[in-house]
Amino acid sequence: DAGVIQSPRHEVTEMGQEVTLRCKPISGHNSLFWYRQTMMRGLELLIYFNNNVPIDDSGMPEDRFSAKMPNASFSTLKIQPSEPRDSAVYFCASSRLAGTNEQFFGPGTRLTVL
Amino acid sequence: AQRVTQPEKLLSVFKGAPVELKCNYSYSGSPELFWYVQYSRQRLQLLLRHISRESIKGFTADLNKGETSFHLKKPFAQEEDSAMYYCALTDQGAQKLVFGQGTRLTINP
Repeated sequence: DAGVIQSPRHEVTEMGQEVTLRCKPISGHNSLFWYRQTMMRGLELLIYFNNNVPIDDSGMPEDRFSAKMPNASFSTLKIQPSEPRDSAVYFCASSRLAGTNEQFFGPGTRLTVL
Repeated sequence: AQRVTQPEKLLSVFKGAPVELKCNYSYSGSPELFWYVQYSRQRLQLLLRHISRESIKGFTADLNKGETSFHLKKPFAQEEDSAMYYCALTDQGAQKLVFGQGTRLTINP
């Protein structure tokens, strides 16, 4: 198992452009989490899904951010329009809804908005 | 509100010396506490959780509800322990993790 897969691994874009980050959770996991990591704020939960349904999006910074999970094996985090302050590492994690709540993290996407 | 504080951003110790990474939390419910670790060029991964009461890679952590702490300890540090360590909290049975700011541990030879 390749674990949680994220793409792209690095993204450099200009302010105002749309950015889409992608995540494939571990097969059989039915919970998916999006985190943002910055030097100033550390690791923050943005949103999480159970069985493809958004449960808590209180960490989403503003309307420019949106996340979807159209099926059990794919999720996207979109920023439109992007701003320099969105520059961060974005992590996706997945877990099983039942049993232990250990989260398995992807390698992250390093986003730079110029 | 849930909050996790790791007071040390950087910690440097010599190989063979004891290590203690501090973690304090504020939460009025029944918390579950975790330590996650990220080694260089690897993914963030679970190191240990307080309910397991086990030692992983020589590390232990005891939940002290009176002091609201969950410090991570190892009696003799090894060079391969160099990594970024995050303390995290959730309500029992819940999914939402709140992370501390992290501590970068460096073990000097």
